[in-house]
Amino acid sequence: DIQMTQSPSSLSASVGDRVTITCQASQDISNYLNWYQQKPGKAPKLLIYDASNLETGVPSRFSGSGSGTDFTFTISSLQPEDIATYYCQQYDNPLLTFGGGTKVEIK
Amino acid sequence: EVQLVESGGGLVQPGRSLRLSCAASGFTFDDYAMHWVRQAPGKGLEWVSGISWNSGSIGYADSVKGRFTISRDNAKNSLYLQMNSLRAEDTALYYCAKDIGGAVAAAGYWGQGTLVTVSS
Repeated sequence: DIQMTQSPSSLSASVGDRVTITCQASQDISNYLNWYQQKPGKAPKLLIYDASNLETGVPSRFSGSGSGTDFTFTISSLQPEDIATYYCQQYDNPLLTFGGGTKVEIK
Repeated sequence: EVQLVESGGGLVQPGRSLRLSCAASGFTFDDYAMHWVRQAPGKGLEWVSGISWNSGSIGYADSVKGRFTISRDNAKNSLYLQMNSLRAEDTALYYCAKDIGGAVAAAGYWGQGTLVTVSS
Protein backbone atom coordinates (compact mmCIF):
# COMPACT_ATOMS: atom_id res chain seq x y z
CA ASP A 1 0.00 0.00 0.00
CA ILE A 2 1.07 3.58 -0.66
CA GLN A 3 2.09 5.57 2.42
CA MET A 4 1.92 9.36 2.64
CA THR A 5 4.39 11.29 4.78
CA GLN A 6 3.29 14.84 5.51
CA SER A 7 5.44 17.51 7.14
CA PRO A 8 5.58 19.40 9.32
CA SER A 9 2.99 18.02 11.72
CA SER A 10 2.37 21.54 12.99
CA LEU A 11 3.50 25.06 12.29
CA SER A 12 2.99 28.55 13.61
CA ALA A 13 3.12 31.54 11.29
CA SER A 14 2.10 35.19 11.24
CA VAL A 15 -0.75 36.68 9.27
CA GLY A 16 0.52 37.45 5.79
CA ASP A 17 3.25 34.81 5.87
CA ARG A 18 3.79 32.28 3.14
CA VAL A 19 3.11 28.78 4.45
CA THR A 20 4.34 25.58 2.82
CA ILE A 21 3.41 21.99 3.61
CA THR A 22 4.99 18.98 1.95
CA CYS A 23 3.71 15.50 1.29
CA GLN A 24 5.82 12.57 0.11
CA ALA A 25 4.43 9.36 -1.35
CA SER A 26 6.12 6.01 -0.82
CA GLN A 27 5.96 5.40 -4.57
CA ASP A 28 5.18 7.28 -7.78
CA ILE A 29 1.56 8.44 -7.76
CA SER A 30 1.76 10.73 -10.80
CA ASN A 31 -0.49 13.68 -9.91
CA TYR A 32 -3.09 11.68 -7.98
CA LEU A 33 -2.83 13.89 -4.92
CA ASN A 34 -5.48 15.99 -3.20
CA TRP A 35 -5.41 18.51 -0.34
CA TYR A 36 -8.05 19.12 2.32
CA GLN A 37 -8.69 21.69 5.02
CA GLN A 38 -10.38 20.78 8.29
CA LYS A 39 -11.36 23.52 10.70
CA PRO A 40 -11.97 22.60 14.36
CA GLY A 41 -15.28 20.82 14.86
CA LYS A 42 -16.07 20.80 11.15
CA ALA A 43 -16.04 18.28 8.34
CA PRO A 44 -13.07 18.42 5.97
CA LYS A 45 -13.22 20.42 2.76
CA LEU A 46 -11.50 19.58 -0.50
CA LEU A 47 -9.24 22.45 -1.61
CA ILE A 48 -7.07 21.06 -4.40
CA TYR A 49 -7.41 17.97 -6.55
CA ASP A 50 -4.96 16.27 -8.89
CA ALA A 51 -2.02 18.07 -7.28
CA SER A 52 -2.67 21.56 -8.61
CA ASN A 53 -6.33 22.10 -9.50
CA LEU A 54 -8.18 24.51 -7.25
CA GLU A 55 -11.66 23.39 -6.28
CA THR A 56 -14.42 25.83 -7.22
CA GLY A 57 -14.78 28.67 -4.74
CA VAL A 58 -11.42 28.13 -3.03
CA PRO A 59 -9.39 31.34 -2.64
CA SER A 60 -6.44 31.73 -5.00
CA ARG A 61 -3.99 32.12 -2.10
CA PHE A 62 -4.11 28.33 -1.88
CA SER A 63 -2.06 26.37 -4.39
CA GLY A 64 -0.54 22.97 -4.93
CA SER A 65 2.27 21.56 -7.02
CA GLY A 66 4.30 18.44 -7.59
CA SER A 67 4.17 15.06 -9.26
CA GLY A 68 5.61 11.63 -8.79
CA THR A 69 6.45 11.32 -5.10
CA ASP A 70 6.92 14.91 -3.87
CA PHE A 71 4.14 17.45 -3.47
CA THR A 72 3.77 20.92 -1.98
CA PHE A 73 0.79 22.84 -0.67
CA THR A 74 1.17 26.61 -0.26
CA ILE A 75 -0.81 29.39 1.33
CA SER A 76 0.66 32.51 -0.23
CA SER A 77 -0.52 34.90 2.48
CA LEU A 78 -1.84 33.32 5.67
CA GLN A 79 -5.17 34.68 6.87
CA PRO A 80 -6.79 34.23 10.30
CA GLU A 81 -9.54 32.09 8.77
CA ASP A 82 -6.92 29.63 7.48
CA ILE A 83 -6.38 28.23 10.96
CA ALA A 84 -7.03 24.54 10.42
CA THR A 85 -5.47 21.16 9.92
CA TYR A 86 -4.48 20.35 6.36
CA TYR A 87 -4.28 16.84 4.93
CA CYS A 88 -2.87 15.42 1.75
CA GLN A 89 -4.50 12.34 0.24
CA GLN A 90 -3.41 10.09 -2.60
CA TYR A 91 -5.58 7.84 -4.70
CA ASP A 92 -4.72 4.60 -6.42
CA ASN A 93 -8.19 3.54 -7.49
CA PRO A 94 -9.93 2.05 -5.56
CA LEU A 95 -7.69 2.86 -2.61
CA LEU A 96 -7.12 6.19 -0.88
CA THR A 97 -4.59 7.16 1.80
CA PHE A 98 -4.43 10.32 3.88
CA GLY A 99 -1.31 11.93 5.22
CA GLY A 100 -0.98 12.54 8.93
CA GLY A 101 -2.05 16.17 8.80
CA THR A 102 -0.47 19.57 9.46
CA LYS A 103 -1.96 21.83 12.10
CA VAL A 104 -1.56 25.49 11.15
CA GLU A 105 -1.71 28.10 13.89
CA ILE A 106 -1.27 31.86 14.04
CA LYS A 107 1.85 33.13 15.76
CA GLU B 1 -27.85 21.79 -2.51
CA VAL B 2 -25.81 18.67 -1.83
CA GLN B 3 -26.79 16.93 1.39
CA LEU B 4 -25.28 13.86 2.98
CA VAL B 5 -26.89 12.67 6.20
CA GLU B 6 -25.28 9.81 8.09
CA SER B 7 -27.13 7.66 10.60
CA GLY B 8 -26.75 4.41 12.47
CA GLY B 9 -23.95 5.28 14.85
CA GLY B 10 -24.04 4.57 18.55
CA LEU B 11 -22.52 2.62 21.41
CA VAL B 12 -21.79 -1.02 20.63
CA GLN B 13 -19.89 -3.77 22.43
CA PRO B 14 -16.67 -5.20 21.02
CA GLY B 15 -17.33 -8.04 18.62
CA ARG B 16 -20.79 -6.83 17.70
CA SER B 17 -22.06 -5.34 14.43
CA LEU B 18 -23.42 -2.00 13.31
CA ARG B 19 -24.74 -0.71 9.99
CA LEU B 20 -24.22 2.89 8.97
CA SER B 21 -26.36 4.61 6.37
CA CYS B 22 -25.89 7.78 4.37
CA ALA B 23 -28.85 9.45 2.70
CA ALA B 24 -27.82 11.60 -0.27
CA SER B 25 -29.73 14.38 -1.98
CA GLY B 26 -29.16 17.40 -4.17
CA PHE B 27 -27.13 15.63 -6.85
CA THR B 28 -27.36 12.69 -9.24
CA PHE B 29 -26.25 10.00 -6.84
CA ASP B 30 -25.47 7.31 -9.40
CA ASP B 31 -23.00 9.58 -11.21
CA TYR B 32 -20.56 9.64 -8.30
CA ALA B 33 -18.30 7.37 -6.31
CA MET B 34 -18.79 7.50 -2.55
CA HIS B 35 -16.61 7.04 0.50
CA TRP B 36 -16.58 6.36 4.20
CA VAL B 37 -13.86 8.19 6.11
CA ARG B 38 -13.41 8.08 9.87
CA GLN B 39 -11.70 10.19 12.48
CA ALA B 40 -10.90 8.88 15.93
CA PRO B 41 -11.17 11.46 18.74
CA GLY B 42 -8.28 13.91 18.48
CA LYS B 43 -6.72 12.04 15.57
CA GLY B 44 -6.33 12.47 11.82
CA LEU B 45 -8.45 11.31 8.94
CA GLU B 46 -8.51 7.64 7.96
CA TRP B 47 -10.12 6.52 4.73
CA VAL B 48 -12.21 3.43 5.41
CA SER B 49 -13.78 2.41 2.13
CA GLY B 50 -14.85 3.66 -1.28
CA ILE B 51 -17.23 2.48 -3.99
CA SER B 52 -17.51 3.56 -7.61
CA TRP B 53 -20.70 4.85 -9.15
CA ASN B 54 -21.86 1.42 -10.31
CA SER B 55 -20.35 -0.62 -7.45
CA GLY B 56 -17.91 -2.09 -9.97
CA SER B 57 -14.85 -0.92 -8.06
CA ILE B 58 -14.64 -1.20 -4.26
CA GLY B 59 -11.72 -0.64 -1.92
CA TYR B 60 -11.04 -1.00 1.79
CA ALA B 61 -8.37 0.13 4.19
CA ASP B 62 -6.29 -2.77 5.50
CA SER B 63 -7.55 -1.99 9.01
CA VAL B 64 -11.14 -2.93 8.09
CA LYS B 65 -10.71 -5.40 5.24
CA GLY B 66 -12.69 -8.57 5.91
CA ARG B 67 -14.77 -6.93 8.65
CA PHE B 68 -16.50 -4.02 6.90
CA THR B 69 -18.60 -4.06 3.74
CA ILE B 70 -19.55 -1.01 1.73
CA SER B 71 -22.59 -0.98 -0.53
CA ARG B 72 -24.89 1.45 -2.26
CA ASP B 73 -28.46 1.50 -3.51
CA ASN B 74 -28.67 3.95 -6.38
CA ALA B 75 -32.46 3.63 -6.50
CA LYS B 76 -32.63 4.87 -2.91
CA ASN B 77 -29.77 7.40 -3.15
CA SER B 78 -28.15 5.67 -0.22
CA LEU B 79 -24.72 4.47 0.87
CA TYR B 80 -24.13 1.87 3.56
CA LEU B 81 -21.33 0.50 5.70
CA GLN B 82 -21.84 -2.86 7.39
CA MET B 83 -19.37 -3.12 10.25
CA ASN B 84 -18.80 -6.53 11.82
CA SER B 85 -16.46 -7.75 14.56
CA LEU B 86 -16.10 -4.23 15.88
CA ARG B 87 -13.05 -3.33 17.97
CA ALA B 88 -12.28 -0.53 20.37
CA GLU B 89 -10.00 1.00 17.74
CA ASP B 90 -12.98 1.40 15.40
CA THR B 91 -14.31 4.12 17.72
CA ALA B 92 -14.52 7.25 15.59
CA LEU B 93 -16.69 9.79 13.86
CA TYR B 94 -17.65 8.22 10.54
CA TYR B 95 -18.12 10.56 7.59
CA CYS B 96 -19.91 9.81 4.36
CA ALA B 97 -18.36 11.66 1.42
CA LYS B 98 -19.20 12.21 -2.23
CA ASP B 99 -16.43 11.89 -4.77
CA ILE B 100 -15.77 14.47 -7.46
CA GLY B 101 -16.37 11.86 -10.16
CA GLY B 102 -17.58 8.35 -10.83
CA ALA B 103 -14.34 6.62 -9.87
CA VAL B 104 -12.74 6.55 -6.44
CA ALA B 105 -10.42 9.58 -6.29
CA ALA B 106 -11.30 12.49 -4.02
CA ALA B 107 -13.85 13.22 -1.31
CA GLY B 108 -15.35 16.41 -2.66
CA TYR B 109 -18.23 16.86 -0.24
CA TRP B 110 -18.69 15.52 3.28
CA GLY B 111 -21.55 14.91 5.64
CA GLN B 112 -21.39 15.87 9.30
CA GLY B 113 -20.64 12.35 10.49
CA THR B 114 -22.11 9.77 12.83
CA LEU B 115 -20.29 8.72 15.98
CA VAL B 116 -19.47 5.07 16.61
CA THR B 117 -18.26 4.09 20.06
CA VAL B 118 -17.06 0.54 20.63
CA SER B 119 -16.88 -0.23 24.32
CA SER B 120 -18.05 -2.78 26.84
